[in-house]
Amino acid sequence: GAVVSQHPSWVICKSGTSVKIECRSLDFQATTMFWYRQFPKQSLMLMATSNEGSKATYEQGVEKDKFLINHASLTLSTLTVTSAHPEDSSFYICSAEKDSSDVLTFGAGSRLTVL
Amino acid sequence: GESVGLHLPTLSVQEGDNSIINCAYSNSASDYFIWYKQESGKGPQFIIDIRSNMDKRQGQRVTVLLNKTVKHLSLQIAATQPGDSAVYFCADYSGYSTLTFGKGTMLLVSP
Repeated sequence: GAVVSQHPSWVICKSGTSVKIECRSLDFQATTMFWYRQFPKQSLMLMATSNEGSKATYEQGVEKDKFLINHASLTLSTLTVTSAHPEDSSFYICSAEKDSSDVLTFGAGSRLTVL
Repeated sequence: GESVGLHLPTLSVQEGDNSIINCAYSNSASDYFIWYKQESGKGPQFIIDIRSNMDKRQGQRVTVLLNKTVKHLSLQIAATQPGDSAVYFCADYSGYSTLTFGKGTMLLVSP
């Protein structure tokens, strides 16, 4: 079946630094990848939709200059949290779909803690 | 799905009981619905889906019921096991929209 891998699964960084999270589709090419953020005891909130070779589409209220998304290939999308602050601490989850008729496959998530 | 709340509703059941988890959605144009299971510290895992032209779909130990009139979705888990303990989310699609997650329900199964 389709597998989506995220790396790192857990990262701690100092306030003001930038952190990059990778999302890879291991056995399929993903035309579209999605990035979600999940705070404790809350649901997943879509941050942005990433299409290979084009600019990401951000949801309302998500700062595109703070959360940089790059989808340079059909198997890799990256989310960079720039100048991270403690309030950015969260569980970041990506998902990928082969095409619009396909069910989304989710990664295992990346837990970011900003000190 | 509904707007996000700050606290997850919890359903506690005994092992072997049947569990029913409910979800309300708000978009009347939604035509595809999915139930996901999320264990602690992991990403969502697909359980079962249903399209709007159906009102019931069964899988292994799970059944999804869809009532479009009242915009309500439920997940029934038969003979619940401790391994079923997790947070369950419904999610819906409408046409060209992206997947929207409901608030989630925590299922706790006691041995």
